[in-house]
Amino acid sequence: KNQVEQSPQSLIILEGKNCTLQCNYTVSPFSNLRWYKQDTGRGPVSLTIMTFSENTKSNGRYTATLDADTKQSSLHITASQLSDSASYICVVITTFWGSNSGYALNFGKGTSLLVTP
Amino acid sequence: DADVTQTPRNRITKTGKRIMLECSQTKGHDRMYWYRQDPGLGLRLIYYSFDVKDINKGEISDGYSVSRQAQAKFSLSLESAIPNQTALYFCATSEGTGGRNEQFFGPGTRLTVL
Repeated sequence: KNQVEQSPQSLIILEGKNCTLQCNYTVSPFSNLRWYKQDTGRGPVSLTIMTFSENTKSNGRYTATLDADTKQSSLHITASQLSDSASYICVVITTFWGSNSGYALNFGKGTSLLVTP
Repeated sequence: DADVTQTPRNRITKTGKRIMLECSQTKGHDRMYWYRQDPGLGLRLIYYSFDVKDINKGEISDGYSVSRQAQAKFSLSLESAIPNQTALYFCATSEGTGGRNEQFFGPGTRLTVL
């Protein structure tokens, strides 16, 4: 079964500090990987997408890395802000999904980040 | 204005009642999806639709049905709600084929079944 494991489950950091969230997956065949941010009470919003050949992708203070050999990804947040408090979801896309689609999304359970003043 | 809207945003109902959750989008996307999210679990796919005439079951379709009334509208129904269907439900859309296409999520509907 394809699995996406995220760690830590939750994290509390002080405003201005950096943090790194981890995502390990056993999904195969790999197509690409996205990190989503989900604010409380809202739907997830995509932060980054990476394909097999991409090692690093940045979006402002968010930097995602991918090691396709070890099947690991990380999301690094620099100089955290209170607005970074949210759940961060790792989604790994495989290239098979029933008879129509050709791809499937495998969601991690998310890391809940709280940034405190 | 929000591109993907869901109604209602919150709903409390009783066991055995029929419930419909509605999703509308102004993004012009062909593909629409329904997910549920439970505490401590990842998003799980209930149903998906690639166009008005195409409906497919997802990972956890039992107890649910859907209707794609138009390109912009995709409804999820619980024919006879039960307490373990208490969850946060999300509608999402994507532009077309390929796993690279980003899914855009609605704000969610919080459903409580007593």
